[in-house]
Amino acid sequence: EAAVTQSPRNKVTVTGGNVTLSCRQTNSHNYMYWYRQDTGHGLRLIHYSYGAGNLQIGDVPDGYKATRTTQEDFFLLLELASPSQTSLYFCASSDWGGREQYFGPGTRLTVL
Amino acid sequence: AQSVTQPDARVTVSEGASLQLRCKYSYSGTPYLFWYVQYPRQGLQLLLKYYSGDPVVQGVNGFEAEFIKSNSSFHLRKASVHWSDSAVYFCAVSAKGGNYKYVFGAGTRLKVIA
Repeated sequence: EAAVTQSPRNKVTVTGGNVTLSCRQTNSHNYMYWYRQDTGHGLRLIHYSYGAGNLQIGDVPDGYKATRTTQEDFFLLLELASPSQTSLYFCASSDWGGREQYFGPGTRLTVL
Repeated sequence: AQSVTQPDARVTVSEGASLQLRCKYSYSGTPYLFWYVQYPRQGLQLLLKYYSGDPVVQGVNGFEAEFIKSNSSFHLRKASVHWSDSAVYFCAVSAKGGNYKYVFGAGTRLKVIA
């Protein structure tokens, strides 16, 4: 079974702070995704990648950067965090684009 | 552009009753369709998926869904719900041969009561 882990599980920062969320998958999947989950919106795609060094823009990318350093690792960066970025963040992976995704447990981020 | 509508934000059913959670999607090409479930304080887990073939797909824990192309729908069904089915259910669509982005519905929160 696919394994996707995220760290930290909870994070509190202040407005203007610098935050990095980490995701690792151990199943050699090609695709990795970052989502945010907000009540009433479901999951919204921030960025995704189909391999190390690749980055694709999602539907809500403003204020976020991402980097895929290896096949396994995908990072989400908030360089000037704002209260509007308070959310639950999920990472996911899939072997091929568009097919079933495997999700991590989520990171709850609070920006004060 | 792809979109997914789950018209019911909350559904309450009695244990043992049947269930239907509605999902309608908008996509002009050939869709891949999914239902995921989210239990409290957990990530999403796949319930079932449709790629092609038989429009009725079976999933885990007695769930099934039917792809009706003419209606652009992919409703989730279960014959008899259990209290442990209480969770949030998400419908999602992606594109076969497209840009590989997923679009999720807003979710339906299911509460099963005794």
